[in-house]
Amino acid sequence: GENVEQHPSTLSVQEGDSAVIKCTYSDSASNYFPWYKQELGKRPQLIIDIRSNVGEKKDQRIAVTLNKTAKHFSLHITETQPEDSAVYFCAGEQDANFGNEKLTFGTGTRLTIIP
Amino acid sequence: DSGVTQTPKHLITATGQRVTLRCSPRSGDLSVYWYQQSLDQGLQFLIQYYNGEERAKGNILERFSAQQFPDLHSELNLSSLELGDSALYFCASSVVPGTTGELFFGEGSRLTVL
Repeated sequence: GENVEQHPSTLSVQEGDSAVIKCTYSDSASNYFPWYKQELGKRPQLIIDIRSNVGEKKDQRIAVTLNKTAKHFSLHITETQPEDSAVYFCAGEQDANFGNEKLTFGTGTRLTIIP
Repeated sequence: DSGVTQTPKHLITATGQRVTLRCSPRSGDLSVYWYQQSLDQGLQFLIQYYNGEERAKGNILERFSAQQFPDLHSELNLSSLELGDSALYFCASSVVPGTTGELFFGEGSRLTVL
């Protein structure tokens, strides 16, 4: 099955700097890669996703890049703000037959923005 | 508010006991997923249902079982509880059968086994 590895496990950056979180996946058939943000004590929420036919996607200060050949994808947060402090999870979806897709999450990155 | 409702929010019980966690998906969502999140751990996929049928299974223990009812709500049953079962259990729902699209998570049910 799919294996998603995420690095680093913890990351501290100064407010205003950029943060990058990287993930690798094992199943070359995976074609959907979402990122979820989980604030302390809250539920995970989707912040951005990318499909395998796209190399990069941006949404304001957040961007995700995908390298299918190397089987890795990254989350980039620019101009970080205190409210960006949270745990971020990457995920990869195995494209089995329709209706049997399974989302495998990475182990999470705890991002701390230092004021 | 994601529209996914989980009850109870907190549950404290003893080893060897059995508990049932309940989830109501967003209106119109046919797929329900259960995830386990232990302290400082990631999200471990347990099981997925679509319109009452089991679709995918993760690393769900034999002591655990789940089902989705005709009204689409789902229940996760945990039996012969062990200390290591203490965790936050999330339910999520989605529009489509697979997960290629947003998962909407509930607030979770925090289980503490003493």
